[in-house]
Amino acid sequence: GIQVEQSPPDLILQEGANSTLRCNFSDSVNNLQWFHQNPWGQLINLFYIPSGTKQNGRLSATTVATERYSLLYISSSQTTDSGVYFCAVETQGGSEKLVFGKGTKLTVNP
Amino acid sequence: KAGVTQTPRYLIKTRGQQVTLSCSPISGHRSVSWYQQTPGQGLQFLFEYFSETQRNKGNFPGRFSGRQFSNSRSEMNVSTLELGDSALYLCASSLWSGRIADTQYFGPGTRLTVL
Repeated sequence: GIQVEQSPPDLILQEGANSTLRCNFSDSVNNLQWFHQNPWGQLINLFYIPSGTKQNGRLSATTVATERYSLLYISSSQTTDSGVYFCAVETQGGSEKLVFGKGTKLTVNP
Repeated sequence: KAGVTQTPRYLIKTRGQQVTLSCSPISGHRSVSWYQQTPGQGLQFLFEYFSETQRNKGNFPGRFSGRQFSNSRSEMNVSTLELGDSALYLCASSLWSGRIADTQYFGPGTRLTVL
């Protein structure tokens, strides 16, 4: 099946810093989503981005489908950005709905 | 519009018991998927239902089962609980408008502890 790798596994920032999270995937995808998991476990949908670039406030994402990677940019980070960020993909004809990476744990210190 | 709801939010069971978890999708959404999250294995797909039919199934033993009702609400059942079934169980719904893939929206999860 498809492999999804996220990097870095852990990231510690000072408030106000910028960061880039990466997601590599091993096959063509129909769906790619970025999620933020809050401390209570809820997965918050950030972007649905199988290709192209999207922006939402301080967050933006880019997926280069032909090169099989996606990037999530966080600018001017805040302590509330802390948590785990997951990339998940769905493939055409795949037996699984969404395949998740292992996540990037982000800690933003005041 | 209300989000995906899951009940109960927390559950404690003992080995050998069975458990049923419930998920109500976003109004109008017809596809419901279930995922298990554990510290060791991460987030893993369990199964997906659409129009009361199982469309996809992950690599889990037959003790894990599910169903979907005509109103799109879904339940999953785990029989003969094992310690390793302790996990956060997440439900997601999507519109499934006929496109190849749709945005998945997740509920708050049910945290199951097996003693």
